[in-house]
Amino acid sequence: NAGVTQTPKFRVLKTGQSMTLLCAQDMNHEYMYWYRQDPGMGLRLIHYSVGEGTTAKGEVPDGYNVSRLKKQNFLLGLESAAPSQTSVYFCASSYSRATYQPQHFGDGTRLSIL
Amino acid sequence: KQEVTQIPAALSVPEGENLVLNCSFTDSAIYNLQWFRQDPGKGLTSLLLIQSSQREQTSGRLNASLDKSSGRSTLYIAASQPGDSATYLCALGLGGSYIPTFGRGTSLIVHP
Repeated sequence: NAGVTQTPKFRVLKTGQSMTLLCAQDMNHEYMYWYRQDPGMGLRLIHYSVGEGTTAKGEVPDGYNVSRLKKQNFLLGLESAAPSQTSVYFCASSYSRATYQPQHFGDGTRLSIL
Repeated sequence: KQEVTQIPAALSVPEGENLVLNCSFTDSAIYNLQWFRQDPGKGLTSLLLIQSSQREQTSGRLNASLDKSSGRSTLYIAASQPGDSATYLCALGLGGSYIPTFGRGTSLIVHP
């Protein structure tokens, strides 16, 4: 039972570099989400998707882009990393709206921007 | 905007105690409320989900209640164990919204 898998688990980047975080789920969920978690700030939604080929902005979308080309995958991109993007990133998925059904979370990607 | 508050932010108790974690919210028109557990360095694990038509849900030593009129949910942990040490978060789902609103969590330490 893989559930939600995030790749990589850790990464260190230099300011200005780009990278892509991968989230894969094997539960045939329609909805997928990217959050960041920072001390004292709680969980904040970056982007989400309500189905293959769709994406929408969350609370803190600036500096990030996403794609949902396949139902099982949700990619989060940082085009030009900044130190303010140092955080722990969590991906989640749910069968239908997260306000109706439980969300399932991955174990996170710990990202440091120097 | 829905505000979700979890008090206290941190709690330390001796093993064996029964304890209550609180989650309060400002908008009573919620669709459901979910309690999560987060272990250090890990993602969130769903513990209990209460639909707005329900008043409580139970799973083992955990019992979650929901009182929409007072804007409050509680997570009751019976006979706490060191393995219960984690951060507990509540998340509210509003009807018509795709996205739940999370509290900042209560960090629980149960010491032997």
